[in-house]
Amino acid sequence: GAGVSQSPSNKVTEKGKDVELRCDPISGHTALYWYRQSLGQGLEFLIYFQGNSAPDKSGLPSDRFSAERTGGSVSTLTIQRTQQEDSAVYLCASSPDSGAKSYEQYFGPGTRLTVT
Amino acid sequence: QQQVKQSPQSLIVQKGGISIINCAYENTAFDYFPWYQQFPGKGPALLIAIRPDVSEKKEGRFTISFNKSAKQFSLHIMDSQPGDSATYFCAASRRGKLIFGQGTELSVKP
Repeated sequence: GAGVSQSPSNKVTEKGKDVELRCDPISGHTALYWYRQSLGQGLEFLIYFQGNSAPDKSGLPSDRFSAERTGGSVSTLTIQRTQQEDSAVYLCASSPDSGAKSYEQYFGPGTRLTVT
Repeated sequence: QQQVKQSPQSLIVQKGGISIINCAYENTAFDYFPWYQQFPGKGPALLIAIRPDVSEKKEGRFTISFNKSAKQFSLHIMDSQPGDSATYFCAASRRGKLIFGQGTELSVKP
């Protein structure tokens, strides 16, 4: 079956521009996560959506970062006024379980963001 | 504040050997400890996971050993194969949020 898909796969943008990254989770998965992977920081949690509950935004590094999930499915991560330190691979994951097995997450291939 | 520390950063093992990767955590509120495997250009994929009330879990050639009192856990890959060459991440899960270690780049030489 179809896995988690992300678009675009690569994005190059100029410093100061806004970018939107898209995630299509596995159909039926209730939980959706965004992570950031960079050389210096490893894999960092950004935000977590579970059903209709308020998202856990505790990992967002600044107020330039925001995310939404429409209709309990597709999610968009928006970075405003991009900075060079935002350059990283942004990974989306979804999970069929919000309980004890919520560690079982299925990752997409990521969007490589380069800010010049 | 790094809550999960992983070592070594890189590891070279001969084919057929045992690969061992270690992790230590700081917070006792975690509810699961998974390991993820990542190949270049791909997202991480779940390999194996253990609950904190279990001391060992084995799946095929992969074994997690867990020491709750020491707050440490490790991944053992038996009979390592060149196809196991990848980056391995330990993680600690709390209410769905994964806190990852820094990763170990494993290279298995033929």
